[in-house]
Amino acid sequence: YDLTQPPSVSVSPGQTASISCSGHKLGDKYVCWYQQKPGQSPVLVLYQDNKRPSGIPERFSGSNSADTATLTISGAQAMDEADYYCQAWHSGTAVFGGGTKLTVL
Amino acid sequence: QVQLVESGGAIVQPGRSLRLSCAASGFTFSDYGMHWVRQAPGKGLEWVAQISYDGIKTSYVDSVKGRITVSRDVSKKALFLQMNGLRVEDTAVYYCARESLVEVPSGDYHYYMDVWGKGTTVTVSS
Repeated sequence: YDLTQPPSVSVSPGQTASISCSGHKLGDKYVCWYQQKPGQSPVLVLYQDNKRPSGIPERFSGSNSADTATLTISGAQAMDEADYYCQAWHSGTAVFGGGTKLTVL
Repeated sequence: QVQLVESGGAIVQPGRSLRLSCAASGFTFSDYGMHWVRQAPGKGLEWVAQISYDGIKTSYVDSVKGRITVSRDVSKKALFLQMNGLRVEDTAVYYCARESLVEVPSGDYHYYMDVWGKGTTVTVSS
């Protein structure tokens, strides 16, 4: 089972960034999103498609329907520049997307 | 505070063995399933293995089946990854991660990795 993400996305500070994650009937599954900054370990930013863990800013939101899940960052900030990975479960195993490098400039 | 600390990474030759450890603190270790996730240099995340909270159920990515074994010791609050027959392509930073769950409307559960360690580096090279 494959999850496909765009390699890179760019956004201007204060604007909205959208990162897609595509997979066969992905909308039938729940998706998590992880943020990873250079030299750091991943951090969970969304689970169950659109739930934010404690400490994650409200500007992070998500959706999932049909074959595509989307991570949306509203009012992107310089601190949001990072790699983002989607993840879902398939046949009892975890599958990660290839990752998207978000540039805020 | 909730913390996971990996150790055991090293530079090893192909075909050799290595055992990684992950020390858990700040939470009731026996209540949580655990995962190993790796990241090859300059690459993305790859899930490696999972063990249930009680150690009974395990699962692995196909590329490591038969070579890698995940286990846990509740008394030591530790997670392990025994890696045998190491290959060059096993070179990566290995992260351990805690698994949390939430019940979803269907009555099933959604699992996610909510706490990650800083990782330990494994290099397989001749």
